[in-house]
Amino acid sequence: DGGITQSPKYLFRKEGQNVTLSCEQNLNHDAMYWYRQDPGQGLRLIYYSQIVNDFQKGDIAEGYSVSREKKESFPLTVTSAQKNPTAFYLCASSISDKSTEAFFGQGTRLTVV
Amino acid sequence: AQSVTQLDSHVSVSEGTPVLLRCNYSSSYSPSLFWYVQHPNKGLQLLLKYTSAATLVKGINGFEAEFKKSETSFHLTKPSAHMSDAAEYFCVVSLPPYQAGTALIFGKGTTLSVSS
Repeated sequence: DGGITQSPKYLFRKEGQNVTLSCEQNLNHDAMYWYRQDPGQGLRLIYYSQIVNDFQKGDIAEGYSVSREKKESFPLTVTSAQKNPTAFYLCASSISDKSTEAFFGQGTRLTVV
Repeated sequence: AQSVTQLDSHVSVSEGTPVLLRCNYSSSYSPSLFWYVQHPNKGLQLLLKYTSAATLVKGINGFEAEFKKSETSFHLTKPSAHMSDAAEYFCVVSLPPYQAGTALIFGKGTTLSVSS
């Protein structure tokens, strides 16, 4: 089945550590996105990528980094500079940057301990 | 500025009664509009979308929505609620020129509770 796979489902991070969230898609989509979800705030865009080896900052990119070395993969690193990283993280993809419909992964819940 | 307002943060209904989740948008353009559903600790699933064809849009699981340009609304309805409909619902606006990511504007969500 085609889809978007995020791993792990749950992730715990100690203060001062960097952690990387995985996002893989086999839909052959060009565009990929990372969103952060906090209770009552909807989804906020962290980073997006329109094509391999290119990515752009979203609304809340500070403290995060990404790479797009392969079309099917768009990992997100939450760095120690992110002061409040506890949240639910969603990865999405769309056919191209001109497409209006996004397909979402099942999410990763990150907790700082 | 473009925006999406979901008028109710929480809606409670009884099983078998109608569901109405309200969404208003503000846009200088003709938007594409979507409703997504999210069950706890899950990703978002597309329920339905409006892309300038018929103003009454039918989606999955018996949901439908009507685009009313004069009222700038895109309310989600279902004639008879089921227990499995309990979830969070997001109204989303996509604006031209359809640039990646930033053109998707999310409402803050409406939590639907269904009681037996």
